[in-house]
Amino acid sequence: NAGVTQTPKFRILKIGQSMTLQCTQDMNHNYMYWYRQDPGMGLKLIYYSVGAGITDKGEVPNGYNVSRSTTEDFPLRLELAAPSQTSVYFCASIYSGGSYEQYFGPGTRLTVT
Amino acid sequence: SQKIEQNSEALNIQEGKTATLTCNYTNYSPAYLQWYRQDPGRGPVFLLLIRENEKEKRKERLKVTFDTTLKQSLFHITASQPADSATYLCALPRDTGFQKLVFGTGTRLLVSP
Repeated sequence: NAGVTQTPKFRILKIGQSMTLQCTQDMNHNYMYWYRQDPGMGLKLIYYSVGAGITDKGEVPNGYNVSRSTTEDFPLRLELAAPSQTSVYFCASIYSGGSYEQYFGPGTRLTVT
Repeated sequence: SQKIEQNSEALNIQEGKTATLTCNYTNYSPAYLQWYRQDPGRGPVFLLLIRENEKEKRKERLKVTFDTTLKQSLFHITASQPADSATYLCALPRDTGFQKLVFGTGTRLLVSP
């Protein structure tokens, strides 16, 4: 199993541009999450999904959108990028009937200038 | 307000000693608490989960305690090694649904030879 994979690893965006961060897991996990991590701030939950077709907002959803058309994929869309969205983004997943252990991807480092 | 706090200062110890990291929380009643390890440029990796009815959990050189009265968890690494150098995050469920976690900011551990 590859686990949780994320692309791209790095990206530089100009203010106002849009992009999609990709996240795929091959563990047949039903719950998936997007976090952002800023220096000294800890991981903050952006959006989460409990299954295909079901998504909901986390703690810091403004400026982001998600979709979940398959169990495997959970892309995060940034519309009209702003400098405040400069961060490292992590995707994670768990199997809801399991041990609650969250499996994280390697992260995407995004800079908006 | 709800808070989860870890010592933001790095912990420097010598190889072979026991490292003890602290996680305190306020205004949560978590059913469990988790500890993760994060290396630079990588996603967090799950280490241990301890439930509210467990006082202590061990895994190899790791030991976690959970005091729901003090609202505190302690994370111990015995016989520490330079390879244990990393940032350690504690996390607990934000509420009772969908395993949404809130993370502490992490404590960086540096083990010198």
